[in-house]
Order: sequence, then structure tokens, then C-alpha cells
Amino acid sequence: AQKITQTQPGMFVQEKEAVTLDCTYDTSDPSYGLFWYKQPSSGEMIFLIYQGSYDQQNATEGRYSLNFQKARKSANLVISASQLGDSAMYFCAMRVQGSSQGGSEKLVFGKGTKLTVNP
Amino acid sequence: DAGITQSPRHKVTETGTPVTLRCHQTENHRYMYWYRQDPGHGLRLIHYSYGVKDTDKGEVSDGYSVSRSKTEDFLLTLESATSSQTSVYFCATQMGQLYEQYFGPGTRLTVT
Repeated sequence: AQKITQTQPGMFVQEKEAVTLDCTYDTSDPSYGLFWYKQPSSGEMIFLIYQGSYDQQNATEGRYSLNFQKARKSANLVISASQLGDSAMYFCAMRVQGSSQGGSEKLVFGKGTKLTVNP
Repeated sequence: DAGITQSPRHKVTETGTPVTLRCHQTENHRYMYWYRQDPGHGLRLIHYSYGVKDTDKGEVSDGYSVSRSKTEDFLLTLESATSSQTSVYFCATQMGQLYEQYFGPGTRLTVT
């Protein structure tokens, strides 16, 4: 079964420090994609970063980087120099192929990690 | 930002009544999705569409139906609302294969 596991319900970090949010995945497909989304208290879902299964290098987007360890099936999100505005829920998701025609794809989400940045 | 709007943003309804939620996008994205978000469950896929009039079920489709008569609109209908369908509903769109999904602002539905 295709599944995303986020084992940390909540994490705390001091402002300006780095933090790692864990994500492990399970799939038998050789081609897949991994995503991280941020959901602040206002409720919207914000796309942060993407890693493809065939990408040789770890993805980076500003202060966000993805520590992709394919053999371990992990895709941890690293946030450097945490800011108060980083306090939010963070969701890891995996793209899987849909069962229908048309090349459909869908996302399977983990249950999320609530990050709190302390001043 | 894929120009996604959802209506209504908030709704309270009674058990047994039908409810329709609308998702509208202005980016001509091919794929559209409906998710529900509940505490402790993350986001779970209800239904999705891979083109006009082409839809398929997600993991929690019971009690829901969808329709997509034009590219920009994807409707989610609760045929007979139940209290277990109280949730926040998100619509998402995706331009094509291998692209990320962008989400609408969400609809908070309460079934009393």
C-alpha cells in the first residue's frame, strides 16, 4: 500500500535554529514524487518543495531543503534559520498514479507535524 | 497561485439535506481534486477529475458525488449530509503530470 508516515505530531524549535521534520514513505512504484506543504493557522495549503524519485540531488528552495534518502525511503524537510512565521502544520505527500485513464495522478498525505517556533 | 476559489467558504446544514460545494479555477488546469481534512487524518482524497466529464473515486468517496461539465468548475455534492461529513473541504488543481497541486482556500462545512 502507498503510505506516508510522519511520526512527529509536534516539534519545537528556537528562532534562528534549524529543524528537521521527518517523513517516510512506502511505495512499490519506481517513479514517484514527494512534496511538502505548509498550512499556517489561517488554513491555506502552501506548496513548499518537490523531490522526484529519479532526481540525483536533494531539492532546495530558499530556506527549505529536502533530505532525500531513497534506500531508507525517507524525505525529511529541513528548515534553516527558523522564523516565527514558520510556525504551522507541515504535511508530507507522495504522488501516486491514479487507477483511471488519462494519466491521472493523486497525492497521498501524511497526518502532519505541527511546528512551533519559539522566540 | 492557480486562481482557485471555493464557494461557499462556510456552511452549516442539517442532517439529510443535499449540499453542493463549488470549486472554480482560472488557469485551465487539467486535473482537479477534492480532499477533506479532519484532525488526526491529514488530507484524504474524495474524488478527482482528469478532464471534463472524466472523474474517479478517491479513498473516502462514499456519500459524495462529483461533476465536471467544464474545465474551470468541479462540483462536490453530498447527497444526504451526515454529521460524519462535518469537515474542511479543499479543492486542488494540477496543470499536468509531474506538476505540483495548488489548493483553494477551503470550505468549512458543519452538519448538525
